[in-house]
Amino acid sequence: NAGVTQTPKFQVLKTGQSMTLQCAQDMNHEYMSWYRQDPGMGLRLIHYSVGAGITDQGEVPNGYNVSRSTTEDFPLRLLSAAPSQTSVYFCASSLMPGTGLSNEQFFGPGTRLTVL
Amino acid sequence: AQSVTQLGSHVSVSEGALVLLRCNYSSSVPPYLFWYVQYPNQGLQLLLKYTTGATLVKGINGFEAEFKKSETSFHLTKPSAHMSDAAEYFCAVGGGFQGGSEKLVFGKGTKLTVNP
Repeated sequence: NAGVTQTPKFQVLKTGQSMTLQCAQDMNHEYMSWYRQDPGMGLRLIHYSVGAGITDQGEVPNGYNVSRSTTEDFPLRLLSAAPSQTSVYFCASSLMPGTGLSNEQFFGPGTRLTVL
Repeated sequence: AQSVTQLGSHVSVSEGALVLLRCNYSSSVPPYLFWYVQYPNQGLQLLLKYTTGATLVKGINGFEAEFKKSETSFHLTKPSAHMSDAAEYFCAVGGGFQGGSEKLVFGKGTKLTVNP
């Protein structure tokens, strides 16, 4: 198993540009999520999904869109990049939380995004 | 709602000394608790987790944590620090056996420095 994969590893954007961060997992996990990590802020949840066709907002969703057309993929779209979105982005997946199963999350290696 | 507080954003110890990283949580349901470690420029890796049963949980690399319900704590310890333990550590709380939040809530992290 490849686990959780993310592409690209690094990206530099100009303000106003759009792009999609890719995330895929091969563990048949229902639950997938996107976090951003900023110094001193820990991990903050952007969006999450509990299955194909179902997404919801996390703590910091503004400026980001997601969709979940398959169980495996959960792309994150930046609609119009801003310098405040400079961050490291992590995708994670797990079994479905809240079902009595340990919702240990498996993390991808991250995408380091810089917006100029 | 669930929340996590990690006491001390930076902890410094000498090689061979005891490592103690503090985590307190708030949860309206019996929680699942996790410690993750992040080495520089890498993703998050699970160190250990508490779900149900034994309150003293052993993890990888000699770390362990004890779930204390009365103190709402899940502190991480290692008897003897090694240089390779230098990393950032995150405590997280999840929905638990009775369900609850679909989201995993992370603390802000504690950066551990190990001095020779």
